[in-house]
Amino acid sequence: KQEVTQIPAALSVPEGENLVLNCSFTDSAIYNLQWFRQDPGKGLTSLLLIQSSQREQTSGRLNASLDKSSGRSTLYIAASQPGDSATYLCAFNQAGTALIFGKGTTLSVSS
Amino acid sequence: EAQVTQNPRYLITVTGKKLTVTCSQNMNHEYMSWYRQDPGLGLRQIYYSMNVEVTDKGDVPEGYKVSRKEKRNFPLILESPSPNQTSLYFCASRSLAGRYNEQFFGPGTRLTVL
Repeated sequence: KQEVTQIPAALSVPEGENLVLNCSFTDSAIYNLQWFRQDPGKGLTSLLLIQSSQREQTSGRLNASLDKSSGRSTLYIAASQPGDSATYLCAFNQAGTALIFGKGTTLSVSS
Repeated sequence: EAQVTQNPRYLITVTGKKLTVTCSQNMNHEYMSWYRQDPGLGLRQIYYSMNVEVTDKGDVPEGYKVSRKEKRNFPLILESPSPNQTSLYFCASRSLAGRYNEQFFGPGTRLTVL
């Protein structure tokens, strides 16, 4: 069964830093992956979707990459801001329906 | 606006009192699903539906029921809630027109069972 690991579990950085969040998976037979943002006690906001045939997607200061051969995806956040503070979740769509989620990385950006 | 809505957003109830959490989407999506989120366990799928009258169990279906009588609605039913069902619940939907489509999530329902 697919297992998804997100490292680190928590990360604190000063404002302005560039940072990378990591997501690893055990089974490369995926259809796509999504990166989500979740604010405390709130819903999930979809940030980026990468199809299995793609290598990366960009939206503003965010860039997500996918390397199926190594079982890794990364979310790069440029010039971090306090408003970026949230939990970031990666999730894989493997069988076309259910998303398999990692447990998330909680990011804190201090001003 | 394309969205998934859930009601209620917050609910406190007592053990054994039947409840229903509603979920509705306005995107004409075939696929709908329920997840629960618990600290340390992440998000886990409860039930899903590929279309009207087609439902199936996810990873943690015990204690839950669902129905899909209309394409836009996918209610989650707890016939006899117990404290271990205290959790944050999310409804999601996606189109099945292609295998690469993203899932859209509702705002969540925080349920507390006393």
